[in-house]
Amino acid sequence: DQQVKQNSPSLSVQEGRISILNCDYTNSMFDYFLWYKKYPAEGPTFLISISSIKDKNEDGRFTVFLNKSAKHLSLHIVPSQPGDSAVYFCAASLSGGSNYKLTFGKGTLLTVNP
Amino acid sequence: NAGVTQTPKFRILKIGQSMTLQCTQDMNHNYMYWYRQDPGMGLKLIYYSVGAGITDKGEVPNGYNVSRSTTEDFPLRLELAAPSQTSVYFCASSSPTDGYTFGSGTRLTVV
Repeated sequence: DQQVKQNSPSLSVQEGRISILNCDYTNSMFDYFLWYKKYPAEGPTFLISISSIKDKNEDGRFTVFLNKSAKHLSLHIVPSQPGDSAVYFCAASLSGGSNYKLTFGKGTLLTVNP
Repeated sequence: NAGVTQTPKFRILKIGQSMTLQCTQDMNHNYMYWYRQDPGMGLKLIYYSVGAGITDKGEVPNGYNVSRSTTEDFPLRLELAAPSQTSVYFCASSSPTDGYTFGSGTRLTVV
């Protein structure tokens, strides 16, 4: 049973527009959520995170929104750039932000077209 | 600062062969992990360790073994390779303050 779901395998966006990547989870005990970015032939790299006590976290062009009642989070990238083209993984943790034992979604391939 | 180093980057094994995937980190992280990523799938946890001498099973441990004799090293052992173990393997380490750092992966093909 998949506890973290990314239902869109791919997303294509024009440069300069907004990219919205979605993630749903089923385990209400998850209390910390993260987004990772992965380029081909590289390991995932941390992008942004949010604790369950917040509903929004911003870092430059990246904003993560959390809707606990809907068990849904989203990553907004504004404005999108061609260098943002990568696979984005949503991940969740039970560990109160201690960065321990993450559960990952399947990933969404974002393509930003010039 | 090397971070997490995995070797080898690529390997082809025959069914029934064994091998060890090496993983070393230089950040003094207590937590270390092995994940596998199958095509079109997310990362699944194979084994993890919360410190030297302590290991535990993750979501998909069958067919693998690990050891953690030092803080730095966390090798993953495949004893009898099977085609189902064809995957990309990622080692990672983490701390509460640093977050996760992943290695660049080992692409393993079992034929």
